[in-house]
Amino acid sequence: AQSVSQHNHHVILSEAASLELGCNYSYGGTVNLFWYVQYPGQHLQLLLKYFSGDPLVKGIKGFEAEFIKSKFSFNLRKPSVQWSDTAEYFCAVIPPGSNYQLIWGAGTKLIIKP
Amino acid sequence: KAGVTQTPRYLIKTRGQQVTLSCSPISGHRSVSWYQQTPGQGLQFLFEYFSETQRNKGNFPGRFSGRQFSNSRSEMNVSTLELGDSALYLCASSLGRDQGYYSTDTQYFGPGTRLTVL
Repeated sequence: AQSVSQHNHHVILSEAASLELGCNYSYGGTVNLFWYVQYPGQHLQLLLKYFSGDPLVKGIKGFEAEFIKSKFSFNLRKPSVQWSDTAEYFCAVIPPGSNYQLIWGAGTKLIIKP
Repeated sequence: KAGVTQTPRYLIKTRGQQVTLSCSPISGHRSVSWYQQTPGQGLQFLFEYFSETQRNKGNFPGRFSGRQFSNSRSEMNVSTLELGDSALYLCASSLGRDQGYYSTDTQYFGPGTRLTVL
């Protein structure tokens, strides 16, 4: 079945470590790609998105993601994490022809140790 | 600009009852989507409304229904509640521009309604 996969369900890092969260999707054609973040007790917020153009996308709070079409991947990165980055991170895809329907990955819970 | 609001924030119901959840989108947004979030299934798309019409629908039973009003506010109804309906129900709004094949809209989420079915 077509899907969105986030490989790591839980990640624990120390402050100042580098972060990379994986996201792969299995849809062909043109897709729209998103990373959302859910801080403890808060609602989902958009981190960054890719629709077209430069495959390296910069988002809020120092996050970036790279779209690699040949690998069907859209990995999220941050060079140096902070304790305040502790949250759950969701990759989401709008597949071709589905218009407004976001298909979600299972999420990655990130814990940053101070 | 005010964000997406959802009411109520918390609900406790018993099996067999019905429930109505409300969502007010960001001003100027005409599309409202609903999602169910559970620990086991993650985030799943329920349906999307635009200009009072359901434009897109996920794979949920007919007990889950919705509607949208002329001011773009939306309600979601679940009838004959089951224990498995316990979840966080999220509403998201977007401009809803019709791109034909795919949308470049961004969806903005509300805080959700936490429904517990006993």
